[in-house]
Amino acid sequence: DAGVTQSPTHLIKTRGQHVTLRCSPISGHKSVSWYQQVLGQGPQFIFQYYEKEERGRGNFPDRFSARQFPNYSSELNVNALLLGDSALYLCASSLVKVVADNEQFFGPGTRLTVL
Amino acid sequence: ELKVEQNPLFLSMQEGKNYTIYCNYSTTSDRLYWYRQDPGKSLESLFVLLSNGAVKQEGRLMASLDTKARLSTLHITAAVHDLSATYFCAVGKLSNAGGTSYGKLTFGQGTILTVHP
Repeated sequence: DAGVTQSPTHLIKTRGQHVTLRCSPISGHKSVSWYQQVLGQGPQFIFQYYEKEERGRGNFPDRFSARQFPNYSSELNVNALLLGDSALYLCASSLVKVVADNEQFFGPGTRLTVL
Repeated sequence: ELKVEQNPLFLSMQEGKNYTIYCNYSTTSDRLYWYRQDPGKSLESLFVLLSNGAVKQEGRLMASLDTKARLSTLHITAAVHDLSATYFCAVGKLSNAGGTSYGKLTFGQGTILTVHP
């Protein structure tokens, strides 16, 4: 069975640009969460989507947005990139809405570098 | 706001030795997770601890949970080089926003473990 997949694996952008990251959850999983992991730190929660609706949002500015499609895949969009947005962006999928009660499975991540 | 703190942040061990990583969290939790991360890689799930007193073991790693003390431990027995990685604990907690319940993981800072011959 395929795990969580993310694309692209690496990305280099310049300040002010926009980026779109993509995630496909494990087959049958309806919940997708996004995390940002800055080098040397633990992942920080950005969003959770379940059944195509935003269910939770972390402490991130409005430059960060996401959506979930009918096939449960998801996109994370970041506008007006800053140097501080450089990080590993992780997508996690879970079977149910309340991910606190259910294990999340993480994808390989997208390494974003902002120059 | 939930805070999760790990210690030590850096751990250098000799092969064959034992050690423990500690994970403290500031509020009640719904679940406690341990993950392993190799350099440049994603997170690999090690353990899910569901209730007070839970203990799980896999190979040379054993995790436990004390919800009353808000403490989880990851014990390493007879370390080998292959265990070198960064280990994260994460607390799963139900939250509410705008009348909608959702869950998220709050991670500790991570413990960088290096096992030397």
